[in-house]
Amino acid sequence: GAGVSQSPRYKVAKRGQDVALRCDPISGHVSLFWYQQALGQGPEFLTYFQNEAQLDKSGLPSDRFFAERPEGSVSTLKIQRTQQEDSAVYLCASSRRTGYQETQYFGPGTRLLVL
Amino acid sequence: DQQVKQNSPSLSVQEGRISILNCDYTNSMFDYFLWYKKYPAEGPTFLISISSIKDKNEDGRFTVFLNKSAKHLSLHIVPSQPGDSAVYFCAAKGDSGAGSYQLTFGKGTKLSVIP
Repeated sequence: GAGVSQSPRYKVAKRGQDVALRCDPISGHVSLFWYQQALGQGPEFLTYFQNEAQLDKSGLPSDRFFAERPEGSVSTLKIQRTQQEDSAVYLCASSRRTGYQETQYFGPGTRLLVL
Repeated sequence: DQQVKQNSPSLSVQEGRISILNCDYTNSMFDYFLWYKKYPAEGPTFLISISSIKDKNEDGRFTVFLNKSAKHLSLHIVPSQPGDSAVYFCAAKGDSGAGSYQLTFGKGTKLSVIP
């Protein structure tokens, strides 16, 4: 079956622009996660949804970052007034349900470059 | 403060030999560990996992060993193949609270298998 898909794959933004990154999880997966991966680092947790409910947004770096999943399927990560330090790969992952032994399946990521 | 550490940024191994990738963790609340493999321009792909109630888990050419008292795990690949060349990430989860769904990653080890 189809895996997690993300769009766009690459995004170049001028500092101060708003961007929106889309994630299509695996069909039927209840849990959805966003991670940020800076160059040379491992992915770092941003936020977590169970269906349409955002249960944890503790990893979002600032109030310029906003995520939603209004119908419990597709999710959008929005970054307002982008800054150069926002340049990173943004990874989306989904899992069938919540549980500590549930495997998270990752999409290919969106590489964001802020000039 | 890195809770999951992969101290070797890179590793080169001859085709057919064993590859050993190491990972150390500091958070004693972690009790489920995963290895992900990442090719350039792709998202991390789940490889193998281990629960803290086990000290070994094997899947084909891949074996993960866990030494809970030393807070150390390792991934063994035998025999190594050129297609195994990728970045390998160690990740950890806890069994309760935010740790039960947030993956904490190391910085990765780039494995190069030389034909």
